[in-house]
Amino acid sequence: ETGVTQTPRHLVMGMTNKKSLKCEQHLGHNAMYWYKQSAKKPLELMFVYSLEERVENNSVPSRFSPECPNSSHLFLHLHTLQPEDSALYLCASSRSRGEGALPYEQYFGPGTRLTVT
Amino acid sequence: DAKTTQPTSMDCAEGRAANLPCNHSTISGNEYVYWYRQIHSQGPQYIIHGLKNNETNEMASLIITEDRKSSTLILPHATLRDTAVYYCIVPYNTDKLIFGTGTRLQVFP
Repeated sequence: ETGVTQTPRHLVMGMTNKKSLKCEQHLGHNAMYWYKQSAKKPLELMFVYSLEERVENNSVPSRFSPECPNSSHLFLHLHTLQPEDSALYLCASSRSRGEGALPYEQYFGPGTRLTVT
Repeated sequence: DAKTTQPTSMDCAEGRAANLPCNHSTISGNEYVYWYRQIHSQGPQYIIHGLKNNETNEMASLIITEDRKSSTLILPHATLRDTAVYYCIVPYNTDKLIFGTGTRLQVFP
């Protein structure tokens, strides 16, 4: 399934750097999600966008800043991260509940493996 | 809190059926059961979902007990590529998928 792409696939950054993760979906969906997966931990939902509006911010620190310019693109802007932010960052998309479709059939990208040094 | 219970790990011989159980005893009448899997270092992949009837697609079958308190995901002929962590998820009327720790399925030759 290549309907959701993420770039870069790997990223190493220092704590003072600013970088951005990009996600693009080609499935015609209008809800997009950022998840974080730390080593040996379950996936954690970070942000949800539905119809380009942020509908969920799961108590994520402000050093993570999402942006959804349109229904096909989602960014995660990173600045002054900590080593404990090293993780696999996953993007997903789905139909929005607003269309009456079940929102739980989500399609995930391959993830960006982030290392903060 | 996923509110589903799955075994931590299971093994299955290649070519045999893999039967992955899940308990969801607090499920209510209109809540679906979803199954995803995550192959190592990849994003999770949707497999199947069901409400009360058994479901089958090209990837797997889902058997839900009559009281809906448990379900079993069946991979009829497991291959080495089915080695993954399998997640059973009941959204419990939230807008979120809550991934627990899942079952680590190891398919061996």
